[in-house]
Amino acid sequence: EPEVTQTPSHQVTQMGQEVILRCVPISNHLYFYWYRQILGQKVEFLVSFYNNEISEKSEIFDDQFSVERPDGSNFTLKIRSTKLEDSAMYFCASSPRRGENSPLHFGNGTRLTVT
Amino acid sequence: DAKTTQPNSMESNEEEPVHLPCNHSTISGTDYIHWYRQLPSQGPEYVIHGLTSNVNNRMASLAIAEDRKSSTLILHRATLRDAAVYYCISMNAGNMLTFGGGTRLMVKP
Repeated sequence: EPEVTQTPSHQVTQMGQEVILRCVPISNHLYFYWYRQILGQKVEFLVSFYNNEISEKSEIFDDQFSVERPDGSNFTLKIRSTKLEDSAMYFCASSPRRGENSPLHFGNGTRLTVT
Repeated sequence: DAKTTQPNSMESNEEEPVHLPCNHSTISGTDYIHWYRQLPSQGPEYVIHGLTSNVNNRMASLAIAEDRKSSTLILHRATLRDAAVYYCISMNAGNMLTFGGGTRLMVKP
């Protein structure tokens, strides 16, 4: 069964550094998402992306975050200047279409540790 | 998305059925009910979803009340690998899942 893959599985970075988290969505999917989960807390929506544009974003997704689909397969999340509070699991997801009748398929996440 | 209410935790014995309840009394007529689960150290995993009729797939069954104000996820025969946090989510056309705290299912051997 096709799956969403994320790399790296664990990223350690120093405060103030830039990080790029990478995702390969399922190949025929058109909608892409990033979520995050701080340790012990709920899974939180960050951003959705379709047709090379951001569709929706949450309040968490401020100017230090950006997303890109640089080629036909990768979907990336960049954090420009990391803060300690950015430490979390970051999950990428994709879905074949938009709408309430379309499940999301998640990757297993990248654990980001900011020191 | 309409707010959903789930018990914080439930326990089950291995190889017995499990019924996980969810209340969504403010659900709108076009919101689908989705269930996801999150195994330890993994990303959320889609389980099942439905609108009005009961639904079955290889993982579980979803029973939706006639008034749609509640639903129940049914695992027909719990295994140790089913121990996870189960999320009931009311999803609208925005396609943005809003996760709550979910129900932590513990399965005893």
